[in-house]
Amino acid sequence: DAKTTQPPSMDCAEGRAANLPCNHSTISGNEYVYWYRQIHSQGPQYIIHGLKNNETNEMASLIITEDRKSSTLILPHATLRDTAVYYCIVRVRSGLTGGGNKLTFGTGTQLKVEL
Amino acid sequence: DAGVIQSPRHEVTEMGQEVTLRCKPISGHDYLFWYRQTMMRGLELLIYFNNNVPIDDSGMPEDRFSAKMPNASFSTLKIQPSEPRDSAVYFCASSLEGAQVRGYTFGSGTRLTVV
Repeated sequence: DAKTTQPPSMDCAEGRAANLPCNHSTISGNEYVYWYRQIHSQGPQYIIHGLKNNETNEMASLIITEDRKSSTLILPHATLRDTAVYYCIVRVRSGLTGGGNKLTFGTGTQLKVEL
Repeated sequence: DAGVIQSPRHEVTEMGQEVTLRCKPISGHDYLFWYRQTMMRGLELLIYFNNNVPIDDSGMPEDRFSAKMPNASFSTLKIQPSEPRDSAVYFCASSLEGAQVRGYTFGSGTRLTVV
């Protein structure tokens, strides 16, 4: 699976949009971008994933650049409860041969949302 | 759905004792994963199963660790004998092959302390 690079920490004011970047310059054509977050003392939580098109769900939006070498997770109106470590993971979609089905977590970005 | 259920939530044991961690995956999920999380090493994948069969145990640190999945609704991770360096939070996760909508679902973890 392709390696990802994320800033170790970011701050965001409550109510503002939080934009979390991720670089994955060695991504392959069949690899998806996944985002998870881990709130203190809890298990990681799935947020969103995408291949090449921008994606949006009830939690966040995912913007993937045209060359797919980087992406941005957007929390449109961050709240204190969004304070967490955010992990960007690149891996082959499950069901494709040879890719396995395991997620490898890096060190992520510690997002701190403040008043 | 009750989600992924892990027990116990906390375990304190003495060095040399046997420790058994338990996990009940989400009904219908065909993949089960065991992760370990420490401050120094982050989230590490220990082993994962597909349809109750171990697929990749390359992350299991040593022979003191063993994992089983006797049926689709139950898995155990055993450490015998336990050592202080095994102190960590152990997470279990499950997923459904091909169902990318929600990704992995993690349990709340078991915090293990070996004294």
